[in-house]
Amino acid sequence: QLQLQESGPGLVKASETLSLTCTVSGGSISSSSYYWGWIRQPPGKGLEWIGTIYYSGSTYYNPSLKSRVTMSVDTSKNQFSLKLSSVTAADTAVYYCAKFAVAAVRFDPWGQGTLVTVSS
Amino acid sequence: SYELTQPPSVSVSPGQTASITCFGDKLGDNYASWYQQKPGQSPVLVIYQDTKRPSGIPERFSGSNSGNTATLSISGTQGMDEADYYCQAWDSSTVVFGGGTKLTVL
Repeated sequence: QLQLQESGPGLVKASETLSLTCTVSGGSISSSSYYWGWIRQPPGKGLEWIGTIYYSGSTYYNPSLKSRVTMSVDTSKNQFSLKLSSVTAADTAVYYCAKFAVAAVRFDPWGQGTLVTVSS
Repeated sequence: SYELTQPPSVSVSPGQTASITCFGDKLGDNYASWYQQKPGQSPVLVIYQDTKRPSGIPERFSGSNSGNTATLSISGTQGMDEADYYCQAWDSSTVVFGGGTKLTVL
């Protein structure tokens, strides 16, 4: 059974770079037909797509975040990562990673999520 | 940019059918997915490709998508179905989520 687990600092200072890693277990990140995505949810608010990445490194980013987002894949570790630069309090959120099936247009499964707080 | 619009809240009596709508320009030309999220938990996929249910999702969950509107229906609604529901689509290489609908089972 495929599982995803987010990891990274829970507290980041304003203007610095947020860095998170998602570790995939129970399956290969190099599987064809699947992308890997990041989604976030500010406290008490809705879901916001950040971006998706293929194992080859091909990416799609949310246009509103594109200038600050970098995603990467490490197939040797079965992991993919997110970097979000110049963070502000508005970037405080629970960050989720998930598998994305492009053809079916679905995120499934999701990781448990990790809360990242941006402090001033 | 593409937007998906959902009603903020929907109420339903136990045993009745709940319908949650998701509006987007020509949404019916794209696949829609739906997620259920309970407090403190990660979202769970309940409908994908407009009408398909993942394994483990009860048959009372169904979906449709035509024109500008996708609809998630829950027949015989139970208290355990009380949650936030989000629609999602893929347009011009961009993933879009609706704002979410809080389903209350009264």
